[in-house]
Amino acid sequence: QVQLQESGPGLVKPSQTLSLTCTVSGGSISSGDYYWSWIRQPPGKGLEWIGYIYYSGSTYYNPSLKSRVTISVDTSKNQFSLKLSSVTAADTAVYYCARYHYYDSSGEFDYWGQGTLVTVSS
Amino acid sequence: QSVLTQPPSASGTPGQRVTISCSGSSSNIGSNTVNWYQQLPGTAPKLLIYSNNQRPSGVPDRFSGSKSGTSASLAISGLQSEDEADYYCAAWDDSLNGLYVFGTGTKVTVL
Repeated sequence: QVQLQESGPGLVKPSQTLSLTCTVSGGSISSGDYYWSWIRQPPGKGLEWIGYIYYSGSTYYNPSLKSRVTISVDTSKNQFSLKLSSVTAADTAVYYCARYHYYDSSGEFDYWGQGTLVTVSS
Repeated sequence: QSVLTQPPSASGTPGQRVTISCSGSSSNIGSNTVNWYQQLPGTAPKLLIYSNNQRPSGVPDRFSGSKSGTSASLAISGLQSEDEADYYCAAWDDSLNGLYVFGTGTKVTVL
């Protein structure tokens, strides 16, 4: 059974960079059929896809966040990470990592981490 | 603001059938498959339906999905108290160089 676990600071100051890591267990991050993703949910609001990365390092980002987002992968540690720069209070959210199962130009998020709340505040 | 529109709420009594709609456009639902996610209170979303109408292993057959044109629907038959949750539709949108979009979400209440 694949499991994903987010880790990182729960509090980030405005204008700084938010950094989170997702550790994958029960399966290899180098499996060819999957992309590794970040999704966020502001308190009381809906879900927003941030972006994803393939084990080779290829990335794809939400155009609205692209200028501030970097997703990277460390296959040796079976981890992938998110960096979001120049954060504001609007970036306060529960951040989820998730596995995207890709096939036939389609796919779905089939496994999710439990989520971690990141608050942007001075 | 999401491009996939859902009703904010839906409700029913135990045993009833509840249907949730998801309205999109030709660039998303009209040209891509739809997924549905269930989010129980205080938990992470869980995949409920994929490829318009497929259930992952372990999802009860009380849940069913359908798609027609630029709209999709999720039906819950034989509503149970444990179905009280938020439900989100989702699909790729081919505009803006591709974007995975979630619906606005529907809160299902079991009366």
